[in-house]
Amino acid sequence: GAVVSQHPSRVICKSGTSVKIECRSLDFQATTMFWYRQFPKQSLMLMATSNEGSKATYEQGVEKDKFLINHASLTLSTLTVTSAHPEDSSFYICSARHYGYTFGSGTRLTVV
Amino acid sequence: SQQGEEDPQALSIQEGENATMNCSYKTSINNLQWYRQNSGRGLVHLILIRSNEREKHSGRLRVTLDTSKKSSSLLITASRAADTASYFCATDSRGYGNKLVFGAGTILRVKS
Repeated sequence: GAVVSQHPSRVICKSGTSVKIECRSLDFQATTMFWYRQFPKQSLMLMATSNEGSKATYEQGVEKDKFLINHASLTLSTLTVTSAHPEDSSFYICSARHYGYTFGSGTRLTVV
Repeated sequence: SQQGEEDPQALSIQEGENATMNCSYKTSINNLQWYRQNSGRGLVHLILIRSNEREKHSGRLRVTLDTSKKSSSLLITASRAADTASYFCATDSRGYGNKLVFGAGTILRVKS
């Protein structure tokens, strides 16, 4: 079946630094990937849709300059949290669409 | 961009009892999916029901869909302690540009 690999699974960074999260489709090509954020005890909120070879589409209220998305190949999308602050601490999950939606295992980001 | 509401928000039952979770949504859908998430971990796809289907079964899971009321329910029969998790419905909807939008979720606790 379709597999999406997400790395890292956990990351701790200092305030003001940037963190990159990778999402790879291992056995299929994904022209479209999705990035979600989940705060504790809450649901998944869609942040943006990542399109291979073009700019990402961000949901209302999501800062595109803070959450940089790059989808340079058919198997890799990256989310970079720039100038991270403690309030960016969250669980980030990517998803790729391939005869349905396949999710990565998520990245827990802690900003200290 | 969350479009669904789920109830109850939390449900606590004894092992062996049935658990019913409900989900409502706002726009026309292509399909509706149910996912499980164990604490702090990735998503597990449980079942997908298409807009032209009214009921679907998978093992101990039964899902219904009422498009006239824009609602769905997930029934877990003969619950087990291992069913303890958060359950989310998610809609794949043309009204949201063919992306998966999650409901608020139900936290299920099965006591042994």
